[in-house]
Amino acid sequence: GNSVTQMEGPVTLSEEAFLTINCTYTATGYPSLFWYVQYPGEGLQLLLKATKADDKGSNKGFEATYRKETTSFHLEKGSVQVSDSAVYFCALRGGTSYGKLTFGQGTILTVHP
Amino acid sequence: GAGVSQSPSNKVTEKGKDVELRCDPISGHTALYWYRQSLGQGLEFLIYFQGNSAPDKSGLPSDRFSAERTGGSVSTLTIQRTQQEDSAVYLCASSLGTGFSYEQYFGPGTRLTVT
Repeated sequence: GNSVTQMEGPVTLSEEAFLTINCTYTATGYPSLFWYVQYPGEGLQLLLKATKADDKGSNKGFEATYRKETTSFHLEKGSVQVSDSAVYFCALRGGTSYGKLTFGQGTILTVHP
Repeated sequence: GAGVSQSPSNKVTEKGKDVELRCDPISGHTALYWYRQSLGQGLEFLIYFQGNSAPDKSGLPSDRFSAERTGGSVSTLTIQRTQQEDSAVYLCASSLGTGFSYEQYFGPGTRLTVT
């Protein structure tokens, strides 16, 4: 079946530091890949997505590239802000799980001023 | 417009009691999903609906869990004879369809505590 392995953290950074959160996946076929974010006290929100190999998803300064050869979808941001403090979830959809999302364990990011 | 809403936001119940959790999807969204977020298991899929039918119930952890959807809109997740391990945040999401390009929009969740 499908699975997502995500760097668990927690990750603590200073403002303006570079961020990478690793995500690798196992799936049959050609899944779509997602990053979701959960800000403190709020619900899950889609941050970005990529639906085919070599696609780059981007939003709010965050980027992730769908790498089929390494089955990865690492999240990056060049300069984090305090407001980026949240829990980040990598997820996939497709393969053997057509409708549902399969999530990684989540990574807690804390950014200090 | 209105997003996905869930009620109650918090529910505390005694072990062995039944609970019902409600989800109101975004108007016009035909697909509805239930997930569970717990410390030990992370975010896990429970069941999804396309219209009123449930093509995939594979994530329901036991026969104490059931869900229904009526009128292609509101869904209710029922947990019978609750156990402490059922304590979690139950999330509902909806989307325009089940295709890969359709974004799932999540509600705020219901935090269930079984004492």
